[in-house]
Amino acid sequence: KNQVEQSPQSLIILEGKNCTLQCNYTVSPFSNLRWYKQDTGRGPVSLTIMTFSENTKSNGRYTATLDADTKQSSLHITASQLSDSASYICVVSGGGTYKYIFGTGTRLKVLA
Amino acid sequence: DVKVTQSSRYLVKRTGEKVFLECVQDMDHENMFWYRQDPGLGLRLIYFSYDVKMKEKGDIPEGYSVSREKKERFSLILESASTNQTSMYLCASSFSTTIRTGTGYAFFGQGTRLTVV
Repeated sequence: KNQVEQSPQSLIILEGKNCTLQCNYTVSPFSNLRWYKQDTGRGPVSLTIMTFSENTKSNGRYTATLDADTKQSSLHITASQLSDSASYICVVSGGGTYKYIFGTGTRLKVLA
Repeated sequence: DVKVTQSSRYLVKRTGEKVFLECVQDMDHENMFWYRQDPGLGLRLIYFSYDVKMKEKGDIPEGYSVSREKKERFSLILESASTNQTSMYLCASSFSTTIRTGTGYAFFGQGTRLTVV
């Protein structure tokens, strides 16, 4: 069954600290993996997208990694800010299909 | 900037009412999607449209229908709203090449929080 699992479910960190969010998937065939940031009450906004051949991609303080062999991805946030407080959703899509498989997200709270 | 606009941010409807949720995108995207998002369940696909007047059922189509009469507009219809349809509804769009090549982004609207009482 195609699934995307994220951990931890929620995370609280202090402003300025780094953190890493995990995403494991069993989607096959694999086409690409996206990380979205979703502020409370808003729609998701893309952070990164990675295809099979990419294993690292950065977007400012956000760095995503992908290990297609172990079917794992991580999102590393450097020097966290209060505005990073949000849910982070991992989404995997399989080639040739319109279906995006969504993880349930990690809710991150950054405290001052 | 790509814009996907949903007609309402918040909506309160009574049980049994017919409800229309509208979504408009301005980037000439072929694909449009309707999802619902519930705590602990993530986003679940209700319906998908890959062209005008074309639609496909997603994972949870029961109790919903859709309409795509124009390329830029995708409507979600709750024929007879029920309390278990209280949820956050998200519309998204993407180019068809996104699907074939698997690259690119699906862009989301800001969401509609629907409460059925």
